[in-house]
Amino acid sequence: DQQVKQNSPSLSVQEGRISILNCDYTNSMFDYFLWYKKYPAEGPTFLISISSIKDKNEDGRFTVFLNKSAKHLSLHIVPSQPGDSAVYFCAARSGAGSYQLTFGKGTKLSVIP
Amino acid sequence: EAGVAQSPRYKIIEKRQSVAFWCNPISGHATLYWYQQILGQGPKLLIQFQNNGVVDDSQLPKDRFSAERLKGVDSTLKIQPAKLEDSAVYLCASSLDPYSQKQFFGPGTRLTVL
Repeated sequence: DQQVKQNSPSLSVQEGRISILNCDYTNSMFDYFLWYKKYPAEGPTFLISISSIKDKNEDGRFTVFLNKSAKHLSLHIVPSQPGDSAVYFCAARSGAGSYQLTFGKGTKLSVIP
Repeated sequence: EAGVAQSPRYKIIEKRQSVAFWCNPISGHATLYWYQQILGQGPKLLIQFQNNGVVDDSQLPKDRFSAERLKGVDSTLKIQPAKLEDSAVYLCASSLDPYSQKQFFGPGTRLTVL
């Protein structure tokens, strides 16, 4: 039972254009949603997060949008740069207990120069 | 600030052998996590420590996996005996406390079981 789903395994975008990565979830008890970025042979690194009580959070070129009614979030990268090429994981934090993170399968973003 | 250290980076063993991984978290981080990442999947939490106590080990296959964080700093994860399906990257992460959204990951140990 996958509680966090990233349905697009890969995405290719031209440099300078917008990248949109999508994520769906099923558990209404998640209280934070996070995006992690992973380069080959490295561990994931935190990128941006959003509280379940917000609908938008922005940090430089990165913006995360949350639609609670649709149980959907998206990460927008504008403008996309070749250094953004990586695997992006969507994660959700449980709002109780151990506050553990549940990760999606990831989306591989390729930004073409 | 030094990041999360893990060793070894790569390990190849035959099934039924045992293996151990080591992790040293960021200094001052009370919470330590071990994740298993199978190829094509996202990281899956195996065990979470708060200082030297276990907070969550509900997804740890306890018949073959064990982990300890005796002095509340570094940690070891052991598999004994290993199965083919244990081939994965084992990631260690740490955070200031269990409520912190931001976890800091090490580079991982890639395990291949033949």
